[in-house]
This record gives sequence, structure tokens and C-alpha cells, in this order.
Amino acid sequence: AQSVTQPDIHITVSEGASLELRCNYSYGATPYLFWYVQSPGQGLQLLLKYFSGDTLVQGIKGFEAEFKRSQSSFNLRKPSVHWSDAAEYFCAAPPVGSSNTGKLIFGQGTTLQVKP
Amino acid sequence: DAMVIQNPRYQVTQFGKPVTLSCSQTLNHNVMYWYQQKSSQAPKLLFHYYDKDFNNEADTPDNFQSRRPNTSFCFLDIRSPGLGDAAMYLCATSRDIGTDEQYFGPGTRLTVT
Repeated sequence: AQSVTQPDIHITVSEGASLELRCNYSYGATPYLFWYVQSPGQGLQLLLKYFSGDTLVQGIKGFEAEFKRSQSSFNLRKPSVHWSDAAEYFCAAPPVGSSNTGKLIFGQGTTLQVKP
Repeated sequence: DAMVIQNPRYQVTQFGKPVTLSCSQTLNHNVMYWYQQKSSQAPKLLFHYYDKDFNNEADTPDNFQSRRPNTSFCFLDIRSPGLGDAAMYLCATSRDIGTDEQYFGPGTRLTVT
């Protein structure tokens, strides 16, 4: 079955430290991949997306993600975390064969806590 | 600023009492989506409209209905809310179907008593 997996449910990092949030997908072909962030009580905001081309994608708020086909991964990174980055992060992709429907499959999410 | 607006932000309803959640957008997008997000879970797509065409997900309960009277507005109707329907309901829009970015509203937190 097609799936998007975020292995880490909860991550805590110190402010100023680097961050990597993991996302793995199971698809046959190259998928379209997204990272969204959700602050408490708010909707989701797109951080970045990968469709094709350069495997290193730059997003908003200083985030980047790298698509690695060999590892079926699309990990999100940030070199220096700010307290305002504390939020829920979701990796998402459309189901195979459904890229034209708008449907997204979301991972379970990773909660990021930032220590002062 | 152009945006996706959801009203109300918090809604309390009684078990079995119909409730309607509202979403409006100033982006003039063709597609509007409704997601259900339960506590500590990922959003789950209920249905979406592409213009006036309604697309229901196969596992969306019949208790959930939607209306889109015009491009700007979309409503989620829950005909007989159960305790299990308590959740955050997220509205999103995108310019077109496919890989276009989805813009989310802030959500409506529904409580069922």
C-alpha cells in the first residue's frame, strides 16, 4: 500500500541546534512530496515541495529538504532552530495515480519541541 | 490579504444536533477541500469540490455533506453529530487539481456534548 511514514512522533531540540525530521514514502515511481507545518490551533502551511529536478529543495523559514530515491526519503532540515519553529510537521504526498485529484496522504506528523 | 477563512473557530453542538461549518476564500481558487483532523492525528480528506463538481472520498460517512453555492464559499454539514465526530475541521483551497499548493484555513474545532 502507498504510504508516507514519519518515524519520529516527537523531537526535542535546543534553540540554535540543527534539525532533521524524517519522512519515508513507499511508492513505485517518483512521487510528489510536500512538507507542511501546523502551529497549535492553526491550519497547515506549506514549507516546501518536490516535484522533479534538483533533489535539494529550499523552502520558507529557512527550511530545506532532500529527496533521496535510494532511501525513499524526503527529510526536512534546518541548520539552526528558533523557538518559533515549535509546531507539528507533516510530510505528505498524493496517492500513486491520483496526482491529478488533489488528494494528499499525510504522515502521522512529528511534534517539534524547542528548548531555550 | 487573500486568505481562507473559517467560521466559527470553535463550535459546540449536542449529540445528534445538525451543525454547519463555514469556509470562505478570497483566492478565487477552483478547488476547495474539507479535512477532518482528530487529536494527534494527520488530516484526513473528507471530500473536495473542483468548481461545482463534488468528489466524495469512499470512506467518508454519509453523515457528512457539503455545499458550495459559489466559488468563494463552501459548507460542511454534519447531519447528526456523534461523539466520534469531535475534531478539528480544516478547509483548504488550491488553484487547480493536482500538485498545486493547498492553502489551509485556521480550522474549526468541533466539540460534541
